[in-house]
Amino acid sequence: GQQLNQSPQSMFIQEGEDVSMNCTSSSIFNTWLWYKQDPGEGPVLLIALYKAGELTSNGRLTAQFGITRKDSFLNISASIPSDVGIYFCAGRSLTGANSKLTFGKGITLSVRP
Amino acid sequence: NAGVTQTPKFRVLKTGQSMTLLCAQDMNHEYMYWYRQDPGMGLRLIHYSVGEGTTAKGEVPDGYNVSRLKKQNFLLGLESAAPSQTSVYFCASTRNGPNTEAFFGQGTRLTVV
Repeated sequence: GQQLNQSPQSMFIQEGEDVSMNCTSSSIFNTWLWYKQDPGEGPVLLIALYKAGELTSNGRLTAQFGITRKDSFLNISASIPSDVGIYFCAGRSLTGANSKLTFGKGITLSVRP
Repeated sequence: NAGVTQTPKFRVLKTGQSMTLLCAQDMNHEYMYWYRQDPGMGLRLIHYSVGEGTTAKGEVPDGYNVSRLKKQNFLLGLESAAPSQTSVYFCASTRNGPNTEAFFGQGTRLTVV
């Protein structure tokens, strides 16, 4: 089946640093989504990308939909302690009856004050 | 605006017991999903539904059944719980169409002893 690859499993950064996360796949997706999950909560959507090459920002977050439609990245600039959490990428490859989201395994981000 | 609501939030079952997890959404979304989240495994799709009265198997459907009798509700059933089903379960919903994102409930933490 389709898989999304996120690595490494954990990242440790210093407060104020920028961080970049990649998500790659061997399959083509026509929607890429980035979610953040806080402890004890459900994932919350950060950024949605719908067109190849699209670059979208949400505050300190920037994400891009890769030209090949097989990858996406998320950048967090000037990290703060509340950026701690698990970051998931998700892709949606088809529309209609067969459409479903595929998730990466997530990257746990730790921010040292 | 409640969004996606899951009940219960926590449950402890004995091996062999049955239970039903309820997911309700008030956004008139066509698609609904059940995921389980385990450490290091990310979100894995159990079953999903593309509309009232329809269900389909996801990545890890064994040991679970689902029903979508009403558009706003998606039920996940465990007929005979096993310790391997100890997990956090998330429900999500999306509209139909290519440019949509999933909204998640807050999760149900299930322990099978």
